[in-house]
Amino acid sequence: DTEVTQTPKHLVMGMTNKKSLKCEQHMGHRAMYWYKQKAKKPPELMFVYSYEKLSINESVPSRFSPECPNSSLLNLHLHALQPEDSALYLCASSQSGGPYEQYFGPGTRLTVT
Amino acid sequence: KNQVEQSPQSLIILEGKNCTLQCNYTVSPFSNLRWYKQDTGRGPVSLTIMTFSENTKSNGRYTATLDADTKQSSLHITASQLSDSASYICVVSAQVGAAGNKLTFGGGTRVLVKP
Repeated sequence: DTEVTQTPKHLVMGMTNKKSLKCEQHMGHRAMYWYKQKAKKPPELMFVYSYEKLSINESVPSRFSPECPNSSLLNLHLHALQPEDSALYLCASSQSGGPYEQYFGPGTRLTVT
Repeated sequence: KNQVEQSPQSLIILEGKNCTLQCNYTVSPFSNLRWYKQDTGRGPVSLTIMTFSENTKSNGRYTATLDADTKQSSLHITASQLSDSASYICVVSAQVGAAGNKLTFGGGTRVLVKP
């Protein structure tokens, strides 16, 4: 199974809402990633988790809060977002400790109203 | 600063024709170079991955080349099909200790195949 799943596929939320994005993989990967992608732009790295510990935070605003409850799951908690946060949020996973292949999920299309 | 530049930004080709996409990079320390295909609104899907010592790698009708000396790569699509319409992203990987690898993405080339 080389699949990374993400839920929901689409999410519309107001600026005062609290929501969460979920990502799951069952490939035994110990590195998991969150990316943000605006239209016609390449993905931008937000967070990297390695062995369930946050190892990279690319100066992401605190209204985005990642969580890795176990080796298969990665969450992104959203609170008080701005309309400019509307984007495709991609999750990826890879083996850890080297330049291994990253497998991407299909993404969650987020719209902030 | 690590950078990946792709050209052209977009191109239109007729079904059945071939095309070549270019990628230049300045990433250090270099680990590998990947080409991804991304359909609109979907996650990227890996086509090829090449390490420093590999010059060429094929995946069906997709053939990637790598010149590590000049820091250039190309992706050749043979006998294009309508389903090849997508963005093609060149991604260069640098290892970041035990944390895994950090990817630098190119801006992508948007390919449109017309019948």
